[in-house]
Amino acid sequence: RKEVEQDPGPFNVPEGATVAFNCTYSNSASQSFFWYRQDCRKEPKLLMSVYSSGNEDGRFTAQLNRASQYISLLIRDSKLSDSATYLCVVNREGYSTLTFGKGTMLLVSP
Amino acid sequence: NAGVTQTPKFQVLKTGQSMTLQCAQDMNHNSMYWYRQDPGMGLRLIYYSASEGTTDKGEVPNGYNVSRLNKREFSLRLESAAPSQTSVYFCASSESGGTFYNEQFFGPGTRLTVL
Repeated sequence: RKEVEQDPGPFNVPEGATVAFNCTYSNSASQSFFWYRQDCRKEPKLLMSVYSSGNEDGRFTAQLNRASQYISLLIRDSKLSDSATYLCVVNREGYSTLTFGKGTMLLVSP
Repeated sequence: NAGVTQTPKFQVLKTGQSMTLQCAQDMNHNSMYWYRQDPGMGLRLIYYSASEGTTDKGEVPNGYNVSRLNKREFSLRLESAAPSQTSVYFCASSESGGTFYNEQFFGPGTRLTVL
Protein backbone atom coordinates (compact mmCIF):
# COMPACT_ATOMS: atom_id res chain seq x y z
CA ARG A 1 0.00 0.00 0.00
CA LYS A 2 1.38 3.40 -0.97
CA GLU A 3 2.02 5.90 1.82
CA VAL A 4 -0.61 8.36 0.61
CA GLU A 5 -3.21 7.48 -2.01
CA GLN A 6 -5.67 9.73 -3.77
CA ASP A 7 -8.12 9.36 -6.63
CA PRO A 8 -6.29 10.99 -9.57
CA GLY A 9 -9.46 12.36 -11.13
CA PRO A 10 -10.01 14.63 -12.91
CA PHE A 11 -13.26 15.61 -11.28
CA ASN A 12 -15.37 17.69 -13.66
CA VAL A 13 -18.12 19.62 -11.86
CA PRO A 14 -20.36 22.61 -12.68
CA GLU A 15 -20.16 25.84 -10.72
CA GLY A 16 -22.09 25.61 -7.48
CA ALA A 17 -21.59 21.87 -7.08
CA THR A 18 -20.32 20.15 -3.96
CA VAL A 19 -17.30 17.92 -4.47
CA ALA A 20 -15.47 15.59 -2.10
CA PHE A 21 -11.91 14.33 -2.27
CA ASN A 22 -10.73 11.28 -0.41
CA CYS A 23 -7.29 10.22 0.71
CA THR A 24 -5.93 7.19 2.54
CA TYR A 25 -2.59 6.87 4.29
CA SER A 26 -0.67 3.77 5.31
CA ASN A 27 1.27 4.86 8.41
CA SER A 28 -0.97 4.60 11.46
CA ALA A 29 1.54 6.67 13.47
CA SER A 30 1.17 9.74 11.25
CA GLN A 31 0.19 12.79 13.24
CA SER A 32 0.10 15.79 10.89
CA PHE A 33 -2.29 16.08 7.97
CA PHE A 34 -2.77 18.78 5.39
CA TRP A 35 -4.48 19.64 2.13
CA TYR A 36 -2.39 21.63 -0.33
CA ARG A 37 -3.59 23.23 -3.54
CA GLN A 38 -1.50 23.42 -6.72
CA ASP A 39 -2.53 25.53 -9.69
CA CYS A 40 -1.31 24.56 -13.15
CA ARG A 41 2.44 25.16 -13.50
CA LYS A 42 2.62 26.76 -10.05
CA GLU A 43 3.99 25.74 -6.69
CA PRO A 44 1.88 23.94 -4.04
CA LYS A 45 0.33 26.13 -1.36
CA LEU A 46 -1.25 25.15 1.93
CA LEU A 47 -5.04 25.08 1.73
CA MET A 48 -5.73 23.89 5.26
CA SER A 49 -4.43 21.71 8.04
CA VAL A 50 -6.61 18.80 9.12
CA TYR A 51 -7.40 18.48 12.79
CA SER A 52 -8.65 15.38 14.61
CA SER A 53 -12.04 16.92 15.30
CA GLY A 54 -12.47 18.10 11.73
CA ASN A 55 -12.29 21.72 10.69
CA GLU A 56 -13.94 24.17 8.35
CA ASP A 57 -12.69 27.22 6.50
CA GLY A 58 -15.44 28.95 4.58
CA ARG A 59 -16.59 26.60 1.82
CA PHE A 60 -13.93 24.00 2.67
CA THR A 61 -14.33 21.24 5.26
CA ALA A 62 -11.63 18.73 6.18
CA GLN A 63 -12.23 15.51 8.11
CA LEU A 64 -9.88 12.94 9.60
CA ASN A 65 -10.73 9.35 10.48
CA ARG A 66 -7.74 7.86 12.28
CA ALA A 67 -9.31 4.42 12.69
CA SER A 68 -9.75 4.07 8.93
CA GLN A 69 -6.63 6.14 8.11
CA TYR A 70 -8.72 8.32 5.88
CA ILE A 71 -8.78 12.06 5.18
CA SER A 72 -11.38 13.97 3.22
CA LEU A 73 -11.86 17.44 1.78
CA LEU A 74 -15.29 18.79 0.94
CA ILE A 75 -15.74 21.86 -1.23
CA ARG A 76 -19.20 23.42 -1.25
CA ASP A 77 -20.55 25.87 -3.85
CA SER A 78 -17.63 25.30 -6.24
CA LYS A 79 -16.18 28.34 -8.02
CA LEU A 80 -14.29 28.50 -11.29
CA SER A 81 -11.27 29.60 -9.27
CA ASP A 82 -11.33 26.29 -7.36
CA SER A 83 -10.00 24.53 -10.47
CA ALA A 84 -6.65 23.13 -9.38
CA THR A 85 -4.98 19.95 -8.17
CA TYR A 86 -5.55 19.10 -4.52
CA LEU A 87 -2.74 17.32 -2.71
CA CYS A 88 -3.21 15.20 0.40
CA VAL A 89 -0.16 15.47 2.68
CA VAL A 90 0.88 13.43 5.72
CA ASN A 91 3.93 13.60 7.94
CA ARG A 92 6.30 10.65 8.05
CA GLU A 93 6.77 9.13 11.48
CA GLY A 94 10.26 9.65 12.80
CA TYR A 95 11.14 12.07 10.02
CA SER A 96 10.86 15.82 9.90
CA THR A 97 9.39 15.55 6.43
CA LEU A 98 6.05 15.27 4.65
CA THR A 99 4.73 12.75 2.13
CA PHE A 100 2.59 14.13 -0.67
CA GLY A 101 -0.12 12.25 -2.50
CA LYS A 102 -0.13 12.49 -6.28
CA GLY A 103 -3.07 14.85 -6.19
CA THR A 104 -6.63 14.99 -7.49
CA MET A 105 -7.40 17.40 -10.29
CA LEU A 106 -10.59 19.45 -10.09
CA LEU A 107 -12.09 21.23 -13.09
CA VAL A 108 -15.01 23.55 -12.39
CA SER A 109 -16.96 24.62 -15.47
CA PRO A 110 -19.48 27.46 -15.98
CA ASN B 1 9.09 39.48 1.95
CA ALA B 2 9.94 37.45 -1.13
CA GLY B 3 9.31 34.12 0.65
CA VAL B 4 11.18 31.32 -1.13
CA THR B 5 13.06 32.20 -4.30
CA GLN B 6 14.66 29.84 -6.80
CA THR B 7 17.05 30.36 -9.67
CA PRO B 8 17.03 29.68 -12.52
CA LYS B 9 13.37 29.36 -13.55
CA PHE B 10 14.23 27.32 -16.64
CA GLN B 11 17.31 25.36 -17.71
CA VAL B 12 18.25 23.04 -20.55
CA LEU B 13 21.28 20.81 -20.09
CA LYS B 14 23.02 18.20 -22.16
CA THR B 15 23.64 14.77 -20.70
CA GLY B 16 26.76 14.85 -18.53
CA GLN B 17 26.70 18.57 -17.81
CA SER B 18 26.58 19.82 -14.25
CA MET B 19 24.61 22.62 -12.66
CA THR B 20 23.52 24.02 -9.32
CA LEU B 21 19.97 25.07 -8.48
CA GLN B 22 19.84 27.89 -5.97
CA CYS B 23 17.22 28.42 -3.28
CA ALA B 24 16.89 31.15 -0.66
CA GLN B 25 14.25 31.98 1.94
CA ASP B 26 13.76 35.17 3.93
CA MET B 27 11.37 33.82 6.58
CA ASN B 28 14.09 32.81 9.06
CA HIS B 29 13.03 29.18 8.71
CA ASN B 30 15.18 26.41 10.13
CA SER B 31 14.24 23.62 7.71
CA MET B 32 14.63 23.52 3.96
CA TYR B 33 13.74 20.89 1.35
CA TRP B 34 14.30 19.95 -2.28
CA TYR B 35 11.58 18.09 -4.19
CA ARG B 36 11.14 16.95 -7.74
CA GLN B 37 7.74 16.66 -9.43
CA ASP B 38 7.15 14.43 -12.41
CA PRO B 39 3.87 13.68 -14.22
CA GLY B 40 2.06 10.84 -12.50
CA MET B 41 4.63 10.65 -9.69
CA GLY B 42 3.70 13.54 -7.46
CA LEU B 43 6.19 15.42 -5.32
CA ARG B 44 9.16 13.37 -4.17
CA LEU B 45 11.70 14.51 -1.59
CA ILE B 46 15.30 14.56 -2.79
CA TYR B 47 17.18 15.99 0.20
CA TYR B 48 16.33 18.09 3.19
CA SER B 49 18.06 20.13 5.86
CA ALA B 50 16.32 20.08 9.23
CA SER B 51 18.56 22.86 10.50
CA GLU B 52 21.60 24.85 9.46
CA GLY B 53 24.60 22.55 9.26
CA THR B 54 22.66 19.32 8.68
CA THR B 55 21.45 17.57 5.54
CA ASP B 56 19.69 14.24 5.05
CA LYS B 57 18.64 12.09 2.13
CA GLY B 58 15.05 11.91 1.10
CA GLU B 59 13.24 9.42 -1.10
CA VAL B 60 15.22 9.96 -4.34
CA PRO B 61 18.73 11.30 -3.55
CA ASN B 62 20.76 9.44 -6.19
CA GLY B 63 22.48 11.75 -8.68
CA TYR B 64 22.15 14.84 -6.45
CA ASN B 65 24.13 16.65 -3.79
CA VAL B 66 23.10 19.51 -1.55
CA SER B 67 24.71 22.29 0.45
CA ARG B 68 23.12 24.25 3.26
CA LEU B 69 25.24 27.34 2.77
CA ASN B 70 23.71 29.24 5.68
CA LYS B 71 20.31 29.53 7.31
CA ARG B 72 18.84 31.26 4.24
CA GLU B 73 20.29 29.24 1.37
CA PHE B 74 20.05 25.60 0.29
CA SER B 75 21.47 24.56 -3.08
CA LEU B 76 20.97 21.40 -5.13
CA ARG B 77 23.72 20.18 -7.45
CA LEU B 78 23.54 17.79 -10.37
CA GLU B 79 27.09 16.60 -10.99
CA SER B 80 26.42 14.74 -14.24
CA ALA B 81 22.94 15.34 -15.54
CA ALA B 82 20.93 12.48 -17.03
CA PRO B 83 17.67 12.57 -19.05
CA SER B 84 15.94 10.89 -16.08
CA GLN B 85 16.55 14.09 -14.13
CA THR B 86 14.28 16.08 -16.43
CA SER B 87 11.70 17.39 -13.99
CA VAL B 88 10.33 20.38 -12.14
CA TYR B 89 12.33 21.07 -8.99
CA PHE B 90 10.78 22.80 -6.00
CA CYS B 91 12.53 24.17 -2.97
CA ALA B 92 10.54 24.59 0.25
CA SER B 93 11.12 25.81 3.77
CA SER B 94 9.38 25.47 7.12
CA GLU B 95 9.87 26.93 10.56
CA SER B 96 11.05 23.55 11.80
CA GLY B 97 10.56 19.98 10.78
CA GLY B 98 8.77 17.38 12.83
CA THR B 99 6.38 19.81 14.45
CA PHE B 100 2.66 19.36 14.27
CA TYR B 101 0.89 21.29 11.56
CA ASN B 102 4.11 22.77 10.28
CA GLU B 103 3.41 24.43 6.96
CA GLN B 104 5.96 24.20 4.17
CA PHE B 105 6.31 27.20 1.87
CA PHE B 106 7.37 26.49 -1.70
CA GLY B 107 9.38 28.42 -4.24
CA PRO B 108 8.10 28.89 -7.82
CA GLY B 109 10.11 25.95 -9.17
CA THR B 110 12.85 25.31 -11.73
CA ARG B 111 11.92 23.52 -14.95
CA LEU B 112 14.91 21.44 -16.00
CA THR B 113 15.27 19.56 -19.26
CA VAL B 114 18.20 17.22 -19.85
CA LEU B 115 18.77 16.28 -23.48
